Amino acid sequence: AQTVTQSQPEMSVQEAETVTLSCTYDTSESDYYLFWYKQPPSRQMILVIRQEAYKQQNATENRFSVNFQKAAKSFSLKISDSQLGDAAMYFCASNNAGNMLTFGGGTRLMVKP
Amino acid sequence: EPEVTQTPSHQVTQMGQEVILRCVPISNHLYFYWYRQILGQKVEFLVSFYNNEISEKSEIFDDQFSVERPDGSNFTLKIRSTKLEDSAMYFCASGRGSGTYNEQFFGPGTRLTVL
Repeated sequence: AQTVTQSQPEMSVQEAETVTLSCTYDTSESDYYLFWYKQPPSRQMILVIRQEAYKQQNATENRFSVNFQKAAKSFSLKISDSQLGDAAMYFCASNNAGNMLTFGGGTRLMVKP
Repeated sequence: EPEVTQTPSHQVTQMGQEVILRCVPISNHLYFYWYRQILGQKVEFLVSFYNNEISEKSEIFDDQFSVERPDGSNFTLKIRSTKLEDSAMYFCASGRGSGTYNEQFFGPGTRLTVL
């Protein structure tokens, strides 16, 4: 069984600043991936970034990067130079061998101009 | 860029009625999924489907639910007798392959309201 926990229901950041969203997970899988999805008001789920658990190097995608601490089962998302369009719900997720995604409860990110 | 589409965008139904939610996955994808999100809650896995059969299903996916790929392009989720608690956003997703990494591309969702 897998569990994903996001302890921050809401976060706020000033435009152009940096914000970090937290996520912890638990899994019995030996090989898995971790994901951050963005859900804007339109409700569509958009993949932001993924991390392969067997890779020690943290994934980066432009302004988005992760801090993956495998031993601590922690997977945080850092958004640099925050933009108004980054305002959304952010969901952390992990997959199992059958590729079923387990999502955390989400963090609502607000970006202040 | 190919994308997953879902129809209708919003479905309103009476309790006890049957509903069919439709999805058109990306054309070369082989793995299909349904998730649901009750308002204000997390996204929950319902079922995965490959090679015309269910690969995995959650506890939520009981006998009231069924999935089908009737014509090689559509992927449907049927709820036989809807309950109030079935009101949620339903997301379809598709992916190319299985294994430890298979990016799932999500559709825009169907909002189901059961009255």
